[in-house]
Amino acid sequence: QKEVEQDPGPLSVPEGAIVSLNCTYSNSAFQYFMWYRQYSRKGPELLMYTYSSGNKEDGRFTAQVDKSSKYISLFIRDSQPSDSATYLCAMRGDYKLSFGAGTTVTVRA
Amino acid sequence: DADVTQTPRNRITKTGKRIMLECSQTKGHDRMYWYRQDPGLGLRLIYYSFDVKDINKGEISDGYSVSRQAQAKFSLSLESAIPNQTALYFCATSETGLAGLDNEQFFGPGTRLTVL
Repeated sequence: QKEVEQDPGPLSVPEGAIVSLNCTYSNSAFQYFMWYRQYSRKGPELLMYTYSSGNKEDGRFTAQVDKSSKYISLFIRDSQPSDSATYLCAMRGDYKLSFGAGTTVTVRA
Repeated sequence: DADVTQTPRNRITKTGKRIMLECSQTKGHDRMYWYRQDPGLGLRLIYYSFDVKDINKGEISDGYSVSRQAQAKFSLSLESAIPNQTALYFCATSETGLAGLDNEQFFGPGTRLTVL
């Protein structure tokens, strides 16, 4: 069993829709939770960073962490074609990041 | 702009050949990492280095070796390439933060390696 499970999709939504992405994990030692965005032919870049449980909002993006369920989510409101990318969840307990497989999202104009 | 660069960006090679992928950074970060990315498997850590004299194996180090020539340079070698090492390879850097934990990792643009 992988430490971090993420549905690879692909996910296709119309412009303006809410995109919902999620990951589950098995390691209860994870304390830091991140979402990276990766455009085609580019390296991943950090999108959101959350410590422990709770919600964090940044513009159209909301990250949620539920440590009791070992479940994290990323919501993208009013999605735009420029949001089309692969979204990877990542989490860390000590010195190593563990990544999900990534979900490829396409926002149709 | 401070950046992470990787060379080459694309490489096709044959089974048994020795290959070196290079990473340079101008961010002044002390920590550097090598990952490979495969469809459906995400990013997996090959090796990481917290400073010039510190080298550590990641989860999939077999068949790979690394060299940290300077704080800004971290190279990955495949001594005898095999087809299942065909993947996208990323270098990343980070800065040591509070309690020795690193902050955000910054990724290079990747090297697409094909082993025939």
